[in-house]
Amino acid sequence: KAGVTQTPRYLIKTRGQQVTLSCSPISGHRSVSWYQQTPGQGLQFLFEYFSETQRNKGNFPGRFSGRQFSNSRSEMNVSTLELGDSALYLCASSLGQGRQGVGTEAFFGQGTRLTVV
Amino acid sequence: AQSVTQLGSHVSVSEGALVLLRCNYSSSVPPYLFWYVQYPNQGLQLLLKYTSAATLVKGINGFEAEFKKSETSFHLTKPSAHMSDAAEYFCAVSHMIYNQGGKLIFGQGTELSVKP
Repeated sequence: KAGVTQTPRYLIKTRGQQVTLSCSPISGHRSVSWYQQTPGQGLQFLFEYFSETQRNKGNFPGRFSGRQFSNSRSEMNVSTLELGDSALYLCASSLGQGRQGVGTEAFFGQGTRLTVV
Repeated sequence: AQSVTQLGSHVSVSEGALVLLRCNYSSSVPPYLFWYVQYPNQGLQLLLKYTSAATLVKGINGFEAEFKKSETSFHLTKPSAHMSDAAEYFCAVSHMIYNQGGKLIFGQGTELSVKP
């Protein structure tokens, strides 16, 4: 079974630009979550999508947005990039539903390393 | 509110020695707890999970963790460290609501070094 695939693995962008990151979840998983990882703030939750709907959202500005397609693939977009957006962006997929605690374990992709210069 | 505290941002052990990585959680509901490992420039790999079935949880690569409700702890152990265990380890609590999804709340991570 293929794991979570994130593309691209590395990106370098200029301040003010926008960027789109892609995530293909494990087959059969309907929930996709995004996390930002930085040395200073650690792992922080961005948002979760389930069946093409944003189900939960973290405390990030509106410049961060996402969407999910009917095949559960997800994209994350960051507009007007700032230097502080440089981070490893991780996507995680899970079954997303079921009895509480069941199916909630998340499987992560290798991440996209975004550098803003 | 739920939170996770990992004691010690860096732990160093000798090869063959016991590995003990500490995690304490705060949760207003029965928690679901996880340990993940991250190797350099990689994503997170699930080591083990606690979902109330058993307090002693065995995971991959010889790791195990014990859930202690009275101590609100979920420490990760391995009897004998191997050089390949050198990585960063994250404890996480699941803030999930049935059919409403949610998020994982992570600790700050513990970097494990293994000396030959």
